[in-house]
Amino acid sequence: DAKTTQPTSMDCAEGRAANLPCNHSTISGNEYVYWYRQIHSQGPQYIIHGLKNNETNEMASLIITEDRKSSTLILPHATLRDTAVYYCIVRVDNAGNNRKLIWGLGTSLAVNP
Amino acid sequence: EAGVAQSPRYKIIEKRQSVAFWCNPISGHATLYWYQQILGQGPKLLIQFQNNGVVDDSQLPKDRFSAERLKGVDSTLKIQPAKLEDSAVYLCASSLALAGRTGELFFGEGSRLTVL
Repeated sequence: DAKTTQPTSMDCAEGRAANLPCNHSTISGNEYVYWYRQIHSQGPQYIIHGLKNNETNEMASLIITEDRKSSTLILPHATLRDTAVYYCIVRVDNAGNNRKLIWGLGTSLAVNP
Repeated sequence: EAGVAQSPRYKIIEKRQSVAFWCNPISGHATLYWYQQILGQGPKLLIQFQNNGVVDDSQLPKDRFSAERLKGVDSTLKIQPAKLEDSAVYLCASSLALAGRTGELFFGEGSRLTVL
């Protein structure tokens, strides 16, 4: 079962920041939060991940609350090409160093001109 | 750098028939994953290989699904016999290590299966 909950859909104006929330209230102390996105008819694409600290890369920023029960993915200047389903994922570490990504239903982001 | 290659991109079969999907991961990636993605849902892990050994196949319906990665590179996923509920996109992904040291999985474009 997914360990995250996300809004089903969101809209954003082109050029504005897109803020995608995610709730992961049952996350354990050593479980990472990952974000992937999936553009229509393509495979998922890695965006960013984090444990406790906020993270930034060339694609996005990840803000994790101090209690780690929620996070927000920020696309600073959304473009039409950012229209996709965004998945917030918790990485579960099982026995034998086996790490598994538990996927939910994602948020369908529509960037409008 | 070449990405994860999958074939065929599309396949239509009738129920009770068999089908096979092929995946070639990124060169040097030790870990290979097969996911099933039903329309409107997130990907579900079917099986995970580390080199040619199975790490996790707990969600693979073993009565009809099989997968192999004989030489630790290419992999095939087979369904026999197919059921209507197997209609989905089958995604192959690879990473340098178990879920990747950075957690980054590289996905192929997927193979879309329609069972009639």
